[in-house]
Amino acid sequence: AIQLTQSPSSLSASVGDRVTITCRASQGINSALAWYQQNPGKSPKLLIYDASSLASGVPSRFSGSGSGTDFTLTISSLQPEDFATYYCQQFYTYALTFGGGTKVEIK
Amino acid sequence: EVQLLESGGGLVQPGGSLRLSCAASGFTFSSYDMGWVRQTPGKGLEWVSAISFNGVSPYYADSVRGRFTISRDTSKNTLYLQMNSLRDEDTAVYYCAKLSTSSPYYYYYMDVWGKGTTVTVSS
Repeated sequence: AIQLTQSPSSLSASVGDRVTITCRASQGINSALAWYQQNPGKSPKLLIYDASSLASGVPSRFSGSGSGTDFTLTISSLQPEDFATYYCQQFYTYALTFGGGTKVEIK
Repeated sequence: EVQLLESGGGLVQPGGSLRLSCAASGFTFSSYDMGWVRQTPGKGLEWVSAISFNGVSPYYADSVRGRFTISRDTSKNTLYLQMNSLRDEDTAVYYCAKLSTSSPYYYYYMDVWGKGTTVTVSS
């Protein structure tokens, strides 16, 4: 199965900071990558699909990039509601997998 | 409003069985692949199973293959997960999700999630 490695596993940041989370696939997956946000006690919410397409209703401060094995989720200016855990997911094959998650905490 | 509502979770002994249901509304259920994802307490997300829009093609994670069965009933707009031979490690919150694709790549992603139902396997 394709493995996804997210880094960092956690980070501390302040409101207004630019935040970057990376996701590395164990083999090439073209652009078959999505990003999700999960707040405590809530279900995941789709942010980005096809590596760089913004999901409906998601603020433009979120962006995704990358192709092949290396991907990035960027939050251009962190807002209070963005403190959450973020997961990448590959759907290149039907043995789909998630990254281990990145928890974004308040500094 | 597009909604998914899971039910059927609960406490079950190791080796036991449970059937989860996911009632879909607000979209044409028969047009979309659907899936199940679980999350163990305090840990990350794990894909469990998925099924094609027409119910013909099921897919399973290695960890549940042979024990879990996914199915769907279009007349009831409902997705199911039959879980047999349950183990302690199956304890998790189980989420139902709608799968979508978009041009030009048509890769799947999960654009709608339910609130989840909790399964606890314990003696």
